[in-house]
Amino acid sequence: EIVLTQSPGTLSLSPGERATLSCRASRSVDSSYLSWYQQKPGQAPRLLIFGASNRATGIPDRFSGSGSGTDFTLSISRLEPEDFAIYYCQRYGSAKYSFGQGTKLEIK
Amino acid sequence: QVQLVQSGAEVKKPGASVKVSCKASGYTFSSNYINWVRQAPGQGLEWMGIINPSGGGTTYAQRFLGRVTMSIDTSTSTVYMELSSLRSADTAVYFCARDSGGWNRHFDSWGQGTLVTVSS
Repeated sequence: EIVLTQSPGTLSLSPGERATLSCRASRSVDSSYLSWYQQKPGQAPRLLIFGASNRATGIPDRFSGSGSGTDFTLSISRLEPEDFAIYYCQRYGSAKYSFGQGTKLEIK
Repeated sequence: QVQLVQSGAEVKKPGASVKVSCKASGYTFSSNYINWVRQAPGQGLEWMGIINPSGGGTTYAQRFLGRVTMSIDTSTSTVYMELSSLRSADTAVYFCARDSGGWNRHFDSWGQGTLVTVSS
């Protein structure tokens, strides 16, 4: 079973800074099936990126995804106050889904 | 617009079962699979399984085999998730999520979540 490991566990940054979140797979995954979600307290997750690098509808262009093989990255170019949340990567494969453990992005 | 509306919070005793519903609207119900995901308090997201509303075929995560049953009612465009033999570790928010299907797979719409509390 392929395991997704996200790092760091917590990232402390200030508004206006750039955030870089990592998702590493224990074996190579098809980038078509790698997605990123944002979750705020008390809310359902929201799709940000699918197919490793495609922004979902309505997602601002400060969010971008990249990567292939075992290493994937979610970048947020200039943090806005509403971006502080928990971010999860997700993988589909062998008729199953799995999630990384999440990265908490907090205000410094 | 696509909407997934879930049933309300539940409190159950250990050993009991719970059945959570997810009513879909705003799209052709049979066109997209529905997934179930749960989140224990303060924890991450855990995928439980998936159901095909066209025919009812299911795939469950290994750790829930034998305890989870997903079903559909096409007449009301509703998907159900039943979890049996509840224990305190099953206390969580349960989400349904629409599968995008297609050439890449992801969850493009989510229900609001249903809190299930297991307590004696």
